[in-house]
Amino acid sequence: SQKIEQNSEALNIQEGKTATLTCNYTNYSPAYLQWYRQDPGRGPVFLLLIRENEKEKRKERLKVTFDTTLKQSLFHITASQPADSATYLCALESGGYNKLIFGAGTRLAVHP
Amino acid sequence: EAGVVQSPRYKIIEKKQPVAFWCNPISGHNTLYWYRQNLGQGPELLIRYENEEAVDDSQLPKDRFSAERLKGVDSTLKIQPAELGDSAVYLCASSLPSPTADEAFFGQGTRLTVV
Repeated sequence: SQKIEQNSEALNIQEGKTATLTCNYTNYSPAYLQWYRQDPGRGPVFLLLIRENEKEKRKERLKVTFDTTLKQSLFHITASQPADSATYLCALESGGYNKLIFGAGTRLAVHP
Repeated sequence: EAGVVQSPRYKIIEKKQPVAFWCNPISGHNTLYWYRQNLGQGPELLIRYENEEAVDDSQLPKDRFSAERLKGVDSTLKIQPAELGDSAVYLCASSLPSPTADEAFFGQGTRLTVV
């Protein structure tokens, strides 16, 4: 069956450290993958998109990698800040452009 | 420019009652999605529109859920009758028409509680 797995447990890190979140998938062959941030009571907000032919994408303190052999994406936040505390969702393209399937998300807590 | 607008923000209804949610997407966004998000889970796609056409409604429980997108702009999602298990946040999102990929812009969602 098709599955998208993200760390179900919250990730707690100290301010200034690098946070690394994992997204693993099975029985998908996504043409691209996206990462979103979601704060309590709000809708998800787009952060980054990476395509199957790209290994790495960066935006400011954010970095995403995409390994289609391992069927895994890693999302990194460097020099993390308490304001980065939120739930981070990965989403895969599935069966056509603009069709996104989301993982359950990982809650990140950055402590001062 | 205004983002995706949803109303109402919150709705509490008794089971077996009908309920409707409204969504106004970003101007020019031909693709519109309705997602349902249960507590601690990611958004689950219910239906996707390209203009007026529902191109993917395979996850929509059609016995009680219906959706429409008149004139390819605003959309409504209806549940009739509601069940306790329908309690969730209903999210609307929109994106640009693209032959490849594009980010989805989400509204704040409607939190439905069925009692």
